[in-house]
Amino acid sequence: EVQLLESGGGLVQPGGSLRLSCVASGFPLRIFGMSWVRQAPGKGMEWVSTIDDTTTARHYADSVRGRFTISRDNSKNAVYLQLNSLRADDTALYYCARGFSTFDNWGQGTLVIVSS
Amino acid sequence: DIQVTQSPSSLSASVGDRVTITCQASQDIATYLNWYQQKPGKAPRLLIYDASILQTGVPSRFSGSGSGTDFTLTISSLQPEDFAIYYCQQHDNLPSSFGQGTKVDFK
Repeated sequence: EVQLLESGGGLVQPGGSLRLSCVASGFPLRIFGMSWVRQAPGKGMEWVSTIDDTTTARHYADSVRGRFTISRDNSKNAVYLQLNSLRADDTALYYCARGFSTFDNWGQGTLVIVSS
Repeated sequence: DIQVTQSPSSLSASVGDRVTITCQASQDIATYLNWYQQKPGKAPRLLIYDASILQTGVPSRFSGSGSGTDFTLTISSLQPEDFAIYYCQQHDNLPSSFGQGTKVDFK
């Protein structure tokens, strides 16, 4: 069974940083692109970032480019999202999703709240 | 960037109804259009990818159609477990983008 388990969310002050983790199981992570998608409270979905299977290509939404960094460690079956210079409008539930552009499995999300 | 617009934003329906949700892209995206279902407090679930291909395990009452800029998700006979929010997503170009969602609730 495919499982994605996110962690690392929490309450952080504006300008602060967090590192989100997504641990995968039930499939060979090394052959899949992986993505992060976020959902602000009561709002719709926003694609945030994607990394390909070889780590050659990393893509970011304009709203996070230069502040967020996606990475992966296939030996640990994990994908990460480093969040820097956080702003109030980054407050959201952050989902890890399997896929480069079609997201066929999702984790349950980790909540990031940016507030003073 | 490609925008996707869903309609309606909400609809009320009864069990057994045929439900249709539309998604319009701001430019030609061929068939690079996915549909997801999200229930309260749950992660989204992929229903249909590339406009018309049913994801494994999804009931056959769900179907998708369209190409270019206009797409449709149809539920042929609404079931109690189908009350949810539905999102379309274009993946022709990055940044990928989602529609604003269609909430299907009980009439």
